[in-house]
This record gives sequence, C-alpha cells and structure tokens, in this order.
Amino acid sequence: DAGITQSPRHKVTETGTPVTLRCHQTENHRYMYWYRQDPGHGLRLIHYSYGVKDTDKGEVSDGYSVSRSKTEDFLLTLESATSSQTSVYFCAIRVRSGRDTGELFFGEGSRLTVL
Amino acid sequence: LAKTTQPISMDSYEGQEVNITCSHNNIATNDYITWYQQFPSQGPRFIIQGYKTKVTNEVASLFIPADRKSSTLSLPRVSLSDTAVYYCLVGDGKMTGGFKTIFGAGTRLFVKA
Repeated sequence: DAGITQSPRHKVTETGTPVTLRCHQTENHRYMYWYRQDPGHGLRLIHYSYGVKDTDKGEVSDGYSVSRSKTEDFLLTLESATSSQTSVYFCAIRVRSGRDTGELFFGEGSRLTVL
Repeated sequence: LAKTTQPISMDSYEGQEVNITCSHNNIATNDYITWYQQFPSQGPRFIIQGYKTKVTNEVASLFIPADRKSSTLSLPRVSLSDTAVYYCLVGDGKMTGGFKTIFGAGTRLFVKA
C-alpha cells in the first residue's frame, strides 16, 4: 500500500458547477498524476506534478486545472463541469526504486458524473 | 516520448503461456520499458520493468532484444484471473518537468476456461 487516497470516491454534479477532486499521499513522493479513463479506453493523462507548485499539462488538460501547494496533496479542479467530463479519475504517485524509473501506484479512482 | 504499439486484444486459454509484444521503434537510450496490468474498476498496477535482455519476477518475464525496438511480456500458465488490460510504457522522464507518463490503449487479454 503506497498510502494514496482519493476523495470523493463518487460524485454527481450538474453542468456548470465547479468540482474539486483531491489526491492525498502519506509518503512525500515527488511525482503525482491525474488521469481520466472512459469506458473501453485506456488512461489519458490530464496533468502531473513534479514538485510543490510544479505542474505540467498532459494529453487532455483543457477544462482542468491543478494545484499542489504541499507535497502530500494534488488537487484536480473542473472550473465548470461539462457532461464530457463524466469519467473515472485516477490519481497516481511515482515511487522511485534503485536506478530505474520507479513505478506508479494508483488510487482507487473517483467516479464523477456530470448531469 | 517513444510511441508504443501493441495488439488491441488477445485471447488465450487457462494454463497457456501468453506473450504480448510491444513495438517502440523510437525508444531512446535512457528509456526503460514498463508494463502495467489493469482490472475493471481498478487503477493499473505495475507488473515489470526492464532496460535490456531479460527480466523475470514472480508474475511475469520481460524479454527485450538487443536493439530494444520491441519488448515481449510473457505470462506463464495464465488463469482466468489474468483477464485484464496490459499496458506497455516507454520512457524515463528526462524531459521538461520529468516523468510525463503516457498510457496507450493497452492490450485486452481474455483468458477462457
């Protein structure tokens, strides 16, 4: 268990409302990621962070913003949710090991439905 | 980022060895090859990582030829519980910001009784 939790796990909201998903880790890992996954598709990277206040865009960043004000929390915000953002959102942390690039540990996912 | 290509789906039977090949023609010198497994309604989990030749752990083996332009994940004696999506990733993150990790579509493995 890499000590990563996501909240909320489930959320239903209406179009146009802001939504924030939280990813929390307990082990001070530098790299954190937000992905979305839609039915029958692979994961798509939204944003990632390589340190406090250091973030960068992924493949599908439009309509999303992130913040990382402290090591343990990586927040994903939908400023004005749309139905196309209905998805399962996964947070991940990278755990380095030895000389290799390490591996990603994923949270349990947050299922968001935008009506 | 090196692009990867892997089969969309594969079928197998219990007890067989399954080999999933991933092509990564543009792999860079510093790139590692990493495989993840994902079950429905769960996040992916790490299976194996390698740089060259062969790597083996308790779950799988990873074969990487000398030119490193492809790699093969080998699952020995699969069971029904190995039905999942398998992702091949290539990279080491030596770019602006570091470790920008992109997943492709993966290979859906279906193991039949």
